[in-house]
Amino acid sequence: EDQVTQSPEALRLQEGESSSLNCSYTVSGLRGLFWYRQDPGKGPEFLFTLYSAGEEKEKERLKATLTKKESFLHITAPKPEDSATYLCAVQANSGYALNFGKGTSLLVTP
Amino acid sequence: DAGVIQSPRHEVTEMGQEVTLRCKPISGHNSLFWYRQTMMRGLELLIYFNNNVPIDDSGMPEDRFSAKMPNASFSTLKIQPSEPRDSAVYFCASRSESGRLFFGSGTQLSVL
Repeated sequence: EDQVTQSPEALRLQEGESSSLNCSYTVSGLRGLFWYRQDPGKGPEFLFTLYSAGEEKEKERLKATLTKKESFLHITAPKPEDSATYLCAVQANSGYALNFGKGTSLLVTP
Repeated sequence: DAGVIQSPRHEVTEMGQEVTLRCKPISGHNSLFWYRQTMMRGLELLIYFNNNVPIDDSGMPEDRFSAKMPNASFSTLKIQPSEPRDSAVYFCASRSESGRLFFGSGTQLSVL
């Protein structure tokens, strides 16, 4: 059975303090690993898709990386507006839906 | 495009009542998903439709839950009778050809 585990559950950073969020996964053949951002009271919003080990994607202060067992979301010099819950999800080759982790709640203080 | 549209945004009902949640997917998207989100369990897939046909409903908790997609632009999730443990945020999502899921804003359901 596919499993996605995210850590830490919550993270508090000061503005400008870089850090990384972890997503460990087990899946029978990875079709894609997805990162989403969720703001309070809203639905998840797509950030990145990674397809194979070694792949990296960047968007503003965020960079996602992928290995065969885990993915990292690196946040460089975060700002308060980066505060949100970040969700990781995997889609198996044999599947059609995304299997989500429980997320990391990030708070960036000024 | 307005994105995935869900209604109502909030629903408060009493135990035993029927609840109907509605979703309008993004035009041109052939796949539609219903998810439920709670603090304890995170996002859980309830049911998946492809071209209006239910493909997998194994995530539906029990017979009290049912979902329909009568056409490409409308889907409903019904709970009858509702119970307090059904309280959660229910999300509808549609999928583009690239595989990306687009979520609605969700329905916050409270069953008293």
